[in-house]
Parts: sequence; structure tokens; C-alpha cells
Amino acid sequence: EDQVTQSPEALRLQEGESSSLNCSYTVSGLRGLFWYRQDPGKGPEFLFTLYSAGEEKEKERLKATLTKKESFLHITAPKPEDSATYLCAVQASGGSYIPTFGRGTSLIVHP
Amino acid sequence: GAVVSQHPSRVICKSGTSVKIECRSLDFQATTMFWYRQFPKQSLMLMATSNEGSKATYEQGVEKDKFLINHASLTLSTLTVTSAHPEDSSFYICSARGVGASIYEQYFGPGTRLTVT
Repeated sequence: EDQVTQSPEALRLQEGESSSLNCSYTVSGLRGLFWYRQDPGKGPEFLFTLYSAGEEKEKERLKATLTKKESFLHITAPKPEDSATYLCAVQASGGSYIPTFGRGTSLIVHP
Repeated sequence: GAVVSQHPSRVICKSGTSVKIECRSLDFQATTMFWYRQFPKQSLMLMATSNEGSKATYEQGVEKDKFLINHASLTLSTLTVTSAHPEDSSFYICSARGVGASIYEQYFGPGTRLTVT
């Protein structure tokens, strides 16, 4: 069974304090790993897709990396507007075509 | 690109009535659509998956006669909550996945807040 575990559950940072969110996964074969951002009362917003170990993608203050067991979402010099819940999901290459989501990391950035 | 809309964004209905929520992919063809439910401060709970022109596949514990899903075209899926009760009050989110290079990427709608009184 595919599993996705995100840590920490919640993270509080000061503005400018860089940190990383973790997404550990167990999947029979990885088709893709996805990161989303969700603001309260809104649907998740797509951020990145990573397909293979060693791949990295960047968008503004966010950088996502991937290994064979986990992915990190690095947040550099965060701002209060980066406050949100960040969700990770994996799509296995075989069996079910339904992606498996983690429970998310709630990030609060204080000014 | 990859925009998904939902309508309505908020709906309040009386117990016993039915409510229909529409999900549209605006700039791509959605071969697969997903319906999720989300309770406050909790993660997404998948309710069902539908492919265009096929019957929806419901997750265990989701009543298919209560939550009717119709994926009539490559751009539209609807979720009808029949005989709604207060316990059906929740945040419902659809997502779509479509034809193209990134066929495994899901794009989410903005969600619909349902309140049953």
C-alpha cells in the first residue's frame, strides 16, 4: 500500500527564517510526486511535479527536491504570505491510478 | 493554464433537499475527475473518481446513492448531494486530470462550502 508521511505537522517560522518540509513516501514505483499549497477555505494550488530522484524544481522562495525515499520543500527567507498548508502526493506507476496524499504541513510565518 | 472552476462556492440548504455542485475544467480536457471532502483542519478525503462517460468509482464508506456523480463530458463533472442532512455539511473540492504531457498532475477547483440547516 502506498504511503505518504509529511513532517512536521505544523511549523512556525519568523519572517526570513529558512526551513524545510519533509515528505516521506513508500510506493511500488513512483510515477510522480506532487506538491500543493492550500490556503484556508480554498482548493489546493499546484506547485511542482517531480519525477525522478535527483530532480529539483524552484518557484520564487520554494525549492522542491526528490530522493528515492523522500522529498523536501525548502522555503528560503519566507514571508508571511507563504503561510499555508503544504500537501504532498504521490502517484504510483502500477496498480491504482489514484494519487495518495499526505496529511499536510501547516506553515505559519510570523512577521 | 490548467484552471478548474467550481460552482457554487457556497451553498446553504435545508435538510432533506438536494444540492448540485458543478466542476469544470476550463482550458483542458479532463479525462479523470476526483471529488474530495475536507473537514476543518483535516486533509483531503477522496470520495470518488470518475472518468468521462463511465460510472464513478466510490471509495469505501461513501454512499453512491447519496452522492451522485456524473462526468458527462470532458470538461464537466457534477456532484449531487441527495436528501442532505446536517452531517453532510463540509467543504467539497473537485480536481481534474487530463490529456497532455503531465497527465498525472491534478488541478483543483476552489471548493464549495456546503451548509445544511
